Amino acid sequence: DIQMTQSPSSLSASVGDRVTITCRASQSISRYLNWYQQKPGKAPNLLIYAASSLQSGVPSRFSGSGSGTDFILTISSLQPEDFATYYCQQTDSPTFTFGQGTELEI
Amino acid sequence: QVQLVQSGAEVKKPGASVKVSCKASGYTFTNNFMHWVRQAPGQGLEWMGILNPSGGTPTYAQKFEGRVTMNSDTSKSTVYMEVSSLRSEDTAVYYCAKDSDHNALDIWGQGTKVTVSA
Repeated sequence: DIQMTQSPSSLSASVGDRVTITCRASQSISRYLNWYQQKPGKAPNLLIYAASSLQSGVPSRFSGSGSGTDFILTISSLQPEDFATYYCQQTDSPTFTFGQGTELEI
Repeated sequence: QVQLVQSGAEVKKPGASVKVSCKASGYTFTNNFMHWVRQAPGQGLEWMGILNPSGGTPTYAQKFEGRVTMNSDTSKSTVYMEVSSLRSEDTAVYYCAKDSDHNALDIWGQGTKVTVSA
């Protein structure tokens, strides 16, 4: 299976900050990489698909980049509602693994 | 609107089986694959498998091969996921999620909490 490693595992930031979260794949996955946001007690929400495409309804302060093995999720200016846990997911191989998550805290 | 509604919480004893359902509405059920994902308490997301609601053999994560069965009933627009030989480590919230046209999980069910306890 392809392994996905996110860094950092947790991150403290303030409203208005620019934040980046990194996701690394154990082998090349082209651009088959999605990003999700999850708030406590809720189902995950799709933010970015195919590495850099913004899901409909997601604010434009979220962006994604990367290809091959290294990917980045950027939040340009943190809002109070952005404090949550973020997961990457690869969809290149027949089995679609998630990263371990990055908890974004105030 | 597009919606996935899952069955209610379950409490099972070790060694038993559990079957979770996920009813889809608001779109053509057979047009999109469906995923199952679980999340143990305080842990991350774990992808379990994917199935084509129209039929065919599901693809399971290696960890779940032989112990998880996914299938669908097109007449009810419902997919099912069954876990057998339950153990305490299977205690988790189980989610179904619709695959978008871009290999991403764009719509999620509300989750079904499964507790395995003697």
